[in-house]
Amino acid sequence: EVQLQQSGPELRRPGSSVKLSCKASGYSITDYLMHWVKHRPEHGLEWIGWIDPEDGETKYAQKFQSKATLTADTSSNTAYMQLSSLTSEDTATYFCASGPNWFAYWGQGTLVTVSS
Amino acid sequence: DIQMTQSPSLLSASVGDRVTINCKASQNINKYLNWYQQKLGEAPKLLIYNTNNLQTGIPSRFSGSGSGTDYTLTISSLQPEDFGTYFCFQHNSWPLTFGSGTKLEIK
Repeated sequence: EVQLQQSGPELRRPGSSVKLSCKASGYSITDYLMHWVKHRPEHGLEWIGWIDPEDGETKYAQKFQSKATLTADTSSNTAYMQLSSLTSEDTATYFCASGPNWFAYWGQGTLVTVSS
Repeated sequence: DIQMTQSPSLLSASVGDRVTINCKASQNINKYLNWYQQKLGEAPKLLIYNTNNLQTGIPSRFSGSGSGTDYTLTISSLQPEDFGTYFCFQHNSWPLTFGSGTKLEIK
């Protein structure tokens, strides 16, 4: 069974950073691009970017270019996203998504709360 | 960026009803359009890919159609478990973009 297991909720101060993880099981993360998506109920879903775990190539939406950094560790079959210079606007649930047909597989989401 | 406009934003329907949700792209997306269902506190679930292809395991009451800039998700006979928020998503060009969502409530 394919699963994407994401790390637990995070509480951070403004100006700090956070690193989220997404561990795949049931398939190799090198089989597909790994994407990250931001969800705020009042703003809907936003695509952040993707990483090709095979070679580390990345692509970001322009608005996340200096906010998010995507990496992957093929030895542990895990993808990561670091968010920097956190503000209240970064308070959201973040999903990793992958698989065939554009996002057949989703993680359960990680809630990041930015508050002083 | 391609803007995806969904309508309606809120839909209330009864079990057994035929339901349609619309998605309009700001430019031609060449049928590179997916539909997802999301329930509160859960990850989105892929329903339809590339306009009209049913994802494995999704009931056949779900179907999709469209071309160019206009796309539709249809639920032929609404079931109680179909409540949730539905999103369209274009993967024709970067950045990938989602619709604003349609919240489907069961009467």
